[in-house]
Amino acid sequence: QKEVEQDPGPLSVPEGAIVSLNCTYSNSAFQYFMWYRQYSRKGPELLMYTYSSGNKEDGRFTAQVDKSSKYISLFIRDSQPSDSATYLCAMLMNTGFQKLVFGTGTRLLVSP
Amino acid sequence: EADIYQTPRYLVIGTGKKITLECSQTMGHDKMYWYQQDPGMELHLIHYSYGVNSTEKGDLSSESTVSRIRTEHFPLTLESARPSHTSQYLCASSKTGVNTEAFFGQGTRLTVV
Repeated sequence: QKEVEQDPGPLSVPEGAIVSLNCTYSNSAFQYFMWYRQYSRKGPELLMYTYSSGNKEDGRFTAQVDKSSKYISLFIRDSQPSDSATYLCAMLMNTGFQKLVFGTGTRLLVSP
Repeated sequence: EADIYQTPRYLVIGTGKKITLECSQTMGHDKMYWYQQDPGMELHLIHYSYGVNSTEKGDLSSESTVSRIRTEHFPLTLESARPSHTSQYLCASSKTGVNTEAFFGQGTRLTVV
């Protein structure tokens, strides 16, 4: 079983839609949760970073963490064609080298 | 934008050739990483470094080797490239400490023919 599970998509939505991207994880030692956005032929860039259970909002983006269910989500409001990219969840333990463990990424396509 | 650079961006090379993928960062970060990413698959850590003269293998076994002679430079070498090495290679760096952001380079897309 993979440590982090993420639906690879693709997820196709019309412009203006609310998008929900999700990851589940199996290791309760994960303490820090991140969402990266990766455009085609580019490196990932950090979008959101959360530590505790609950919601964190940044503009049109909301990251949600439910540690009891081992489930994290990224919501995108009023989605734009420029949001079309692959979204990767990543998790970090607070022990050892603290290496990031990534999901497979979900490819999002927002059509005008 | 992150100050971490990878060269070349794209490389097509014949089987058996020796190649070095370059990665440099100007942020003074101690930690550096190499990830391998195949289409539709997650990023797999293949090498990492705590600092100068420190290198460790990651989770995914790789025939590549790395060196860290200078803080800012973390090159990856394949002594004899094979078609199975075809992939995207991503370099990243981060500050030492808990919950620090990892900054990624643009990646090198390697094709071995």
